[in-house]
This record gives sequence, structure tokens and C-alpha cells, in this order.
Amino acid sequence: DAMVIQNPRYQVTQFGKPVTLSCSQTLNHNVMYWYQQKSSQAPKLLFHYYDKDFNNEADTPDNFQSRRPNTSFCFLDIRSPGLGDAAMYLCATSRDGAGGRYEQYFGPGTRLTVT
Amino acid sequence: KNEVEQSPQNLTAQEGEFITINCSYSVGISALHWLQQHPGGGIVSLFMLSSGKKKHGRLIATINIQEKHSSLHITASHPRDSAVYICAAYGGSQGNLIFGKGTKLSVKP
Repeated sequence: DAMVIQNPRYQVTQFGKPVTLSCSQTLNHNVMYWYQQKSSQAPKLLFHYYDKDFNNEADTPDNFQSRRPNTSFCFLDIRSPGLGDAAMYLCATSRDGAGGRYEQYFGPGTRLTVT
Repeated sequence: KNEVEQSPQNLTAQEGEFITINCSYSVGISALHWLQQHPGGGIVSLFMLSSGKKKHGRLIATINIQEKHSSLHITASHPRDSAVYICAAYGGSQGNLIFGKGTKLSVKP
């Protein structure tokens, strides 16, 4: 049974055209994370939610926003995608306590292409 | 210097071989994660450990807190084990996971 679901799996958008990526979870976890992973690089944390509390990483561009309307869903909005934003976007959840204190469960990722 | 270093960067093995991937970290940690990422992107958490050793099937993870070193072992490797293996350290407090760059494993039949 899928526990962390990401839609779509592949997304193509045009330069400058807003795009939204979706993540949902069936685990009822408090914490949801968004990571960006470029080719052959480690995942880079963009931000995370602890319940409704939003925590932005200092070097996350303003172009990236997130919404968490309820426990199950979290969205990543890219307001004006640039070519450099093409990457795999990974959603993850953990039971409690942000960071690495608890095991993180990852979704399959959304591969974003910017044309 | 990255705070979490993995070696080797790339590893090719023959089916059946015993495989070891190493992870060294320079930060004080309270937990270390081993993750597996297959082509196509999805990441699976293999282990989270803070001391000693854990075993799951053919996978074994060990950690030596004093030496700031962890190893992931795969016994009787199989082509389906081919993936990128990522070590990630958690430093505690409000810190987040610090990822290594990954080890790309290819197991040939």
C-alpha cells in the first residue's frame, strides 16, 4: 500500500509558468518535507512542515512556496520555474520531531522538466 | 569538505559478492540513516541506527560512534541490489539530515 504518494510522477512546464506538485500521505505523520534532488547530487531540503508550522531553509529561493491544508496533503508551488529548477522533487514524512530523529518515509518523487 | 563522506563513490560487483559501503561523518550525531535510491528516483529507508548493528535480510548496518563511522554490508549480492545507497546523518536539536553524495552500486549477473 502506497504510504507517501506524489503526483504527478513526471511534470513538464514552460519557463516562467507556475507549477504545483502534490504529496499525500496515509501515515498520519506530523512532519512533511520537500527535497530537491538534481542529477547525481544528494537531496537538498527545501522546507518542512511540523503540523501547521512551516520551516523554510535559509537558502531556499523565494520562488518556492509550500502549502499544507491538512495533515495528509502538502503542495510545492514553483511560482516562476527557471531552467535551473529542473530536478527530482521528493516528498517525505516522519512521525514526529523534524530532522533526522525519526525514520523518514519518501515518496516516489516527481521529475520536473522545464522547457 | 562534506560533513558526511561516503566511499566508494561507484562500486561494481559480481552477483554473490559481499559488498561494503562506508560512511564517515565529522559532526556529532544522534542517528544515522541508510537509504536506497533506485533509478527513477524513489528513496527507501533501509536503516536508522544510533549504535551497534542492525540486520534486515541480506543487509547489515553497523555504526561506531567513537570512530564516527558506519558501514552498510550486503551479503550474497544480487543484480536487484543495484541502486544508489545514501548515508545521512542527523546531528540532533533542530538540525536536519546531512546527506552523503551516495554510492552507486552495480551488481552484474
